[in-house]
Amino acid sequence: AQSVAQPEDQVNVAEGNPLTVKCTYSVSGNPYLFWYVQYPNRGLQFLLKYITGDNLVKGSYGFEAEFNKSQTSFHLKKPSALVSDSALYFCAVSEYGNKLVFGAGTILRVKS
Amino acid sequence: EPEVTQTPSHQVTQMGQEVILRCVPISNHLYFYWYRQILGQKVEFLVSFYNNEISEKSEIFDDQFSVERPDGSNFTLKIRSTKLEDSAMYFCASRAGNYNEQFFGPGTRLTVL
Repeated sequence: AQSVAQPEDQVNVAEGNPLTVKCTYSVSGNPYLFWYVQYPNRGLQFLLKYITGDNLVKGSYGFEAEFNKSQTSFHLKKPSALVSDSALYFCAVSEYGNKLVFGAGTILRVKS
Repeated sequence: EPEVTQTPSHQVTQMGQEVILRCVPISNHLYFYWYRQILGQKVEFLVSFYNNEISEKSEIFDDQFSVERPDGSNFTLKIRSTKLEDSAMYFCASRAGNYNEQFFGPGTRLTVL
């Protein structure tokens, strides 16, 4: 069965500093990996995905993520955080692109 | 930009009542999903739907739940007899094809009293 772990409930970072939100996964086949962001009282917005190919994937709003097969990780990164990046971030994994299994979410707080 | 829409945004119902949550997926998408998020908990998969039939369902999706695509645009989730523990945010999602991401609607907050 698939599973996702987001080990940090909350990440705090100063505006302008780099940010990392961690994610590790477990899946029996080839993983399809996703990051979504949720703003208060809003739905989930797609940020980026890894299906195959280059281990570094770039997504919306300057975010990127690195797929590491040996460490079964897919950490979300951004070189320079903005206050507007403050939100709840979810990592998700899928086998064969079907149902998504989500992590518990990480609250990102960016302070000015 | 096309988006998934859901109605109503908030539904309040009495325990034991039937509710229908409605979704309009993105028009050229082929795969449809319902997820729920109980307050403070993770987003959980309920059911996936493809080619007019359920392709997968979770343990949560018991006999009290059903889904339907009654026409070419709507995708509905019905809960026949609501329980207090059904109170949650319900998200609809759709996907174009095998390697595509899912697009989520804004959610329906269901409150069962």
